[in-house]
Amino acid sequence: ETAVFQTPNYHVTQVGNEVSFNCKQTLGHDTMYWYKQDSKKLLKIMFSYNNKQLIVNETVPRRFSPQSSDKAHLNLRIKSVEPEDSAVYLCASSFPGDPGNTLYFGEGSRLIVV
Amino acid sequence: GDKVKQSPSALSLQEGTNSALRCNFSIAATTVQWFLQNPRGSLMNLFYLVPGTKENGRLKSAFDSKESYSTLHIRDAQLEDSGTYFCAGEANSAGNKLTFGIGTRVLVRP
Repeated sequence: ETAVFQTPNYHVTQVGNEVSFNCKQTLGHDTMYWYKQDSKKLLKIMFSYNNKQLIVNETVPRRFSPQSSDKAHLNLRIKSVEPEDSAVYLCASSFPGDPGNTLYFGEGSRLIVV
Repeated sequence: GDKVKQSPSALSLQEGTNSALRCNFSIAATTVQWFLQNPRGSLMNLFYLVPGTKENGRLKSAFDSKESYSTLHIRDAQLEDSGTYFCAGEANSAGNKLTFGIGTRVLVRP
């Protein structure tokens, strides 16, 4: 049963445009994440937030910016997309002791930059 | 993918047979998680492991932190087991962030 919801599921846009992906979790978790899955299927963390506070910010281009209004929401904005931004963006959440930091993922948002 | 190596990279299984996937870590992983990504792209958590073993239905996983590897055994494979299996290790040296392997693609044939 899905409890991490992402929109849109799929987006095609041109180089230079702005894109936003939304994520909401209904699990009551404190921590949320954005992962990027490239064409080779490798998953890499981009950001994580704990209770609206940024705790992990990997080396990603400045055009990527996360936005959190409350602990249940974590959006991702990409200003001026580049071709290499084409990927699947996966949102996840976790809660300590659930057990550990078990990750629960959304279904992903596929971005195609043309 | 270099810090977490999964093998094999792909696997074709006859329905009803058993198989094992492996994950070797070059990081000092303290916990491991296994996920299944279905053909639609959804990632489902299968196991969270500290050193030891866990079993859930036809799946069984083990994690040996001293030898830095984890295994996932599939018993009596079913068609719905098809997908890509990812392991991920959490290490203090990596700031407790999960480092993922590149996955094992499993196809279960009728």
